[in-house]
Amino acid sequence: SQKIEQNSEALNIQEGKTATLTCNYTNYSPAYLQWYRQDPGRGPVFLLLIRENEKEKRKERLKVTFDTTLKQSLFHITASQPADSATYLCALPLNTGFQKLVFGTGTRLLVSP
Amino acid sequence: KAGVTQTPRYLIKTRGQQVTLSCSPISGHRSVSWYQQTPGQGLQFLFEYFSETQRNKGNFPGRFSGRQFSNSRSEMNVSTLELGDSALYLCASSFGQGAYGYTFGSGTRLTVV
Repeated sequence: SQKIEQNSEALNIQEGKTATLTCNYTNYSPAYLQWYRQDPGRGPVFLLLIRENEKEKRKERLKVTFDTTLKQSLFHITASQPADSATYLCALPLNTGFQKLVFGTGTRLLVSP
Repeated sequence: KAGVTQTPRYLIKTRGQQVTLSCSPISGHRSVSWYQQTPGQGLQFLFEYFSETQRNKGNFPGRFSGRQFSNSRSEMNVSTLELGDSALYLCASSFGQGAYGYTFGSGTRLTVV
């Protein structure tokens, strides 16, 4: 069955360091992969989309890589700040229909001052 | 531009009752998706509507239903509420097939007692 895995344990890092979050998937051949940020009690906020023919994408302090051979995406936040503390979710469209976006369970990031 | 609006923000219902939640998408977005989010299961896909047609449905019982109106506004209904239906219900709208990212509302927090 199709599965998306993110590290369920919280990631604790010091301010100014680079945070790296992982998203692994199985039995998928997604045309793209998306990353979202979610704060407690709020809806997810779209951050970045990377397509299957792109290896890397950047937006300000964010960088996403997409390795379709390893079936893995890495999400990096450079020069992290306490305001970056949130849960980060990856999402993929199901093979059967692009309109069904399936989310991983998310990884909580805690950035300490 | 205005974001995705969900009403009500909070709701408390009794077991056996029914509930209707509303979602107004971003102007110009014709696709509306609904998700249920609980601490144990994460974000679970409920259904997706495009131009008043349900294009995709998740693995939820028939007590969960939805519809979309000609102005793209959407409603979801849950009948015969159970305690396990307590969750954050999120609506997301997108342009086209969602390959440009989804915009989520703040959600409706439903508590069933």
